[in-house]
Amino acid sequence: NAGVTQTPKFQVLKTGQSMTLQCAQDMNHNSMYWYRQDPGMGLRLIYYSASEGTTDKGEVPNGYNVSRLNKREFSLRLESAAPSQTSVYFCASTISLGADGYTFGSGTRLTVV
Amino acid sequence: GENVEQHPSTLSVQEGDSAVIKCTYSDSASNYFPWYKQELGKGPQLIIDIRSNVGEKKDQRIAVTLNKTAKHFSLHITETQPEDSAVYFCAAIVNTGGFKTIFGAGTRLFVKA
Repeated sequence: NAGVTQTPKFQVLKTGQSMTLQCAQDMNHNSMYWYRQDPGMGLRLIYYSASEGTTDKGEVPNGYNVSRLNKREFSLRLESAAPSQTSVYFCASTISLGADGYTFGSGTRLTVV
Repeated sequence: GENVEQHPSTLSVQEGDSAVIKCTYSDSASNYFPWYKQELGKGPQLIIDIRSNVGEKKDQRIAVTLNKTAKHFSLHITETQPEDSAVYFCAAIVNTGGFKTIFGAGTRLFVKA
C-alpha cells in the first residue's frame, strides 16, 4: 500500500522553465491537495480538489495550475518558474474535503535558479 | 485574518520527561484539529486528532486536549523517547460553508538521551 506517491523527489529548474509535479494516491480518497512548505512560513495550501472534476484555489495559487486527471491523480504545473517558487511541495489526500487528517506524500524539493 | 499560533517554536526535553505543545486558533467555526509529526526529509504524518465535540483524546503516550471556550488545544507526549524528536505541526480546519485549513508554524522537539 503506497499511500501518496510524488514524483520527482528533487528538481532544479532555470527561471522561466516549466514543469509538472505528479501526485497519485491509491487509497480511493476523494479529495487531494497541494501544499508548499517554506522555512518560517509553515505549510500553505496552493490548490485543492474536493472530488474528481473539481479544483479550487487555496492560499497561494499564483503562478501555479492544477489538473485532477482522475480520482487517483492530481498534478501541479509551474508554467514559468520563478526563484520565489523554490520550496518543498507536498501532495496530500483525504477521504473527503477537510473531514479528516491528511495523508501526505514524501515531497518534491524544487530549486529555481 | 484567521491564524493558528503554536508555541513553543523549539522544545528540548530529557528522555523520559513529558513534552507539551500548545496552539491557539482564531476562527470559532473550526471543528477539527489534527496534529502532525514531520521527521527530517519526510512528509508530515498524522499522529492524533480531535474534533470539536470532544475535550480530550489519548493514544498510548500521546494525548490532545481541546478548550473550545479559550480556543486552544494542546499536544501532550509522555515518557519521551529519542525517536520522538521531530517537528510537530498543529492545524485547525473549518469545513462549514467552505473549506479552510490553517497550520501552525511548527515546534521542533529535541529529546536528549
